[in-house]
Amino acid sequence: EDKVVQSPLSLVVHEGDTVTLNCSYEVTNFRSLLWYKQEKKAPTFLFMLTSSGIEKKSGRLSSILDKKELFSILNITATQTGDSAVYLCAVGRSYNTDKLIFGTGTRLQVFP
Amino acid sequence: GAVVSQHPSWVICKSGTSVKIECRSLDFQATTMFWYRQFPKQSLMLMATSNEGSKATYEQGVEKDKFLINHASLTLSTLTVTSAHPEDSSFYICSAKDPLAKNIQYFGAGTRLSVL
Repeated sequence: EDKVVQSPLSLVVHEGDTVTLNCSYEVTNFRSLLWYKQEKKAPTFLFMLTSSGIEKKSGRLSSILDKKELFSILNITATQTGDSAVYLCAVGRSYNTDKLIFGTGTRLQVFP
Repeated sequence: GAVVSQHPSWVICKSGTSVKIECRSLDFQATTMFWYRQFPKQSLMLMATSNEGSKATYEQGVEKDKFLINHASLTLSTLTVTSAHPEDSSFYICSAKDPLAKNIQYFGAGTRLSVL
């Protein structure tokens, strides 16, 4: 059965800390891995990763994929209170390219 | 990124009534939209895939007659919760796939349904 597992489930840090969120997967016919940030309502798209070893970066956020070891990490440096959210990892397959398999998410709380 | 609008954001209804939720892609045409359900502190659970001009594809365990999906145009999909019961109370989120961005789904803001 395909599955996506995120760790830790929750994380509490102080502003300025650096955090690493993990996503491991067991999915047949892997095509892509996506990261989303969900605050109170809609998940917003962060990154899509398809190739191993190529870092994607946007401001203080970066992510990388390891297709050999079947995982991805999402790094947030110099965290701010606005980074507080649930971070969702999702995997798409090469067949049935429409569906995404979501992990349970990591809840990040950043305190001043 | 692409913009997806979902309406209403919150609805309260009596048990036994039906509720319609709309999902619109505002700046792109979406041949495929998705409906998810999310319980508190849990991840997104896919309910069905909505395809423009054809019948929706439901996930295992989701009642087709309970959750009616219509995707009549390239920018609009609707989910109707029929004969709602308190156990249907949940957060429903739609997403739309941008055909110009492979596998990236853009999400609506969600609808919180409370059935009394």
